[in-house]
Amino acid sequence: EAGVAQSPRYKIIEKRQSVAFWCNPISGHATLYWYQQILGQGPKLLIQFQNNGVVDDSQLPKDRFSAERLKGVDSTLKIQPAKLEDSAVYLCASSLLVSGQGGAFFGQGTRLTVV
Amino acid sequence: AQKVTQAQTEISVVEKEDVTLDCVYETRDTTYYLFWYKQPPSGELVFLIRRNSFDEQNEISGRYSWNFQKSTSSFNFTITASQVVDSAVYFCALRGSNYKLTFGKGTLLTVNP
Repeated sequence: EAGVAQSPRYKIIEKRQSVAFWCNPISGHATLYWYQQILGQGPKLLIQFQNNGVVDDSQLPKDRFSAERLKGVDSTLKIQPAKLEDSAVYLCASSLLVSGQGGAFFGQGTRLTVV
Repeated sequence: AQKVTQAQTEISVVEKEDVTLDCVYETRDTTYYLFWYKQPPSGELVFLIRRNSFDEQNEISGRYSWNFQKSTSSFNFTITASQVVDSAVYFCALRGSNYKLTFGKGTLLTVNP
């Protein structure tokens, strides 16, 4: 079974530029998460989708971050404009819709460096 | 609100020692799920185990074992006879009724040869 795919793996941009990350979840997984993991910290949930609807985006900095999940499958996360403090690993995860069934499976992440 | 606390930020042991990683959680949900994840230096989060709130039976899987105690809101993880390859950051996580997965800050485990 293919895992969660993310691209790119690494990205370096200058502050105030924009960047986009892509995620393809495990086939059949209705729930998709985007997490931000700053070095030395635990992952922090940015946004959670169930199919193509947003379940939780309370910690998403909406003035600069946006995310969409068209057709309930792939998702993109965008930052515009980027700030130095956005440097982190952005993790995408997916899980089955059925309550608690299985764990959330994570992709390898995109390491963003803002200079 | 959900909260996961991993009080141990770093643990260092010598190979073959047993080590227990602590996790304490808070939730108002009556149905919830607890998880442990491993994050090796490569960075990918690897799912280890899931436990639901109705199943307090402890589990052993090879060198890994988990102790879930609802009375103390704890979900501790023990590695028996640790190995160098066990060196990683370990995260405890909680998912409640809204499917939101909340992580602790992680415990860095270093196993020295």
